[in-house]
Amino acid sequence: GQNIDQPTEMTATEGAIVQINCTYQTSGFNGLFWYQQHAGEAPTFLSYNVLDGLEEKGRFSSFLSRSKGYSYLLLKELQMKDSASYLCAGGLNTGFQKLVFGTGTRLLVSP
Amino acid sequence: DSGVTQTPKHLITATGQRVTLRCSPRSGDLSVYWYQQSLDQGLQFLIQYYNGEERAKGNILERFSAQQFPDLHSELNLSSLELGDSALYFCASSAGTANEQYFGPGTRLTVT
Repeated sequence: GQNIDQPTEMTATEGAIVQINCTYQTSGFNGLFWYQQHAGEAPTFLSYNVLDGLEEKGRFSSFLSRSKGYSYLLLKELQMKDSASYLCAGGLNTGFQKLVFGTGTRLLVSP
Repeated sequence: DSGVTQTPKHLITATGQRVTLRCSPRSGDLSVYWYQQSLDQGLQFLIQYYNGEERAKGNILERFSAQQFPDLHSELNLSSLELGDSALYFCASSAGTANEQYFGPGTRLTVT
């Protein structure tokens, strides 16, 4: 099957660090994507991991362990504008890239 | 702004009706994807086109169909609409078939 699990909701304080976990039980995923989605808006691409390890991009970092079916998104120096849903998605490359999304983690950043 | 455009932004229609949603991909992108996002649901992949040809199908109902035209814009047709079809419909595009996808602003469909 193609299941992606992530926590429904998390809260954190402005300036803090938060880690959003994503686990998956599947075969066929050739990489993990993270997207940010503000309420009622389009998802925006944050990161893509195809190899194991940590990818750092400014305040955001993403980690992948393919053997454990595990990924996380790390957000540092949280800002109020980071309050959004964070979507983990597995990329299925059956010759064509199809994304399977988790239901998303709603992050609320408080002052 | 992702460069992907979708029209209309909002659509309100009655059960049993038919609507067409339109998407223009980013300049140069050949792949177009359609997703449905219902309230409190994750993004559900519906269908993908690459350079005019259907390439992958997801959880798309038989009442729904799509096509991609020679100028690469795409349309999603939804017919015999039901209340449960009320959702945000997103279009995304990518350069090829193994690249990150960029999403349009979505069309919010309300079926009454």
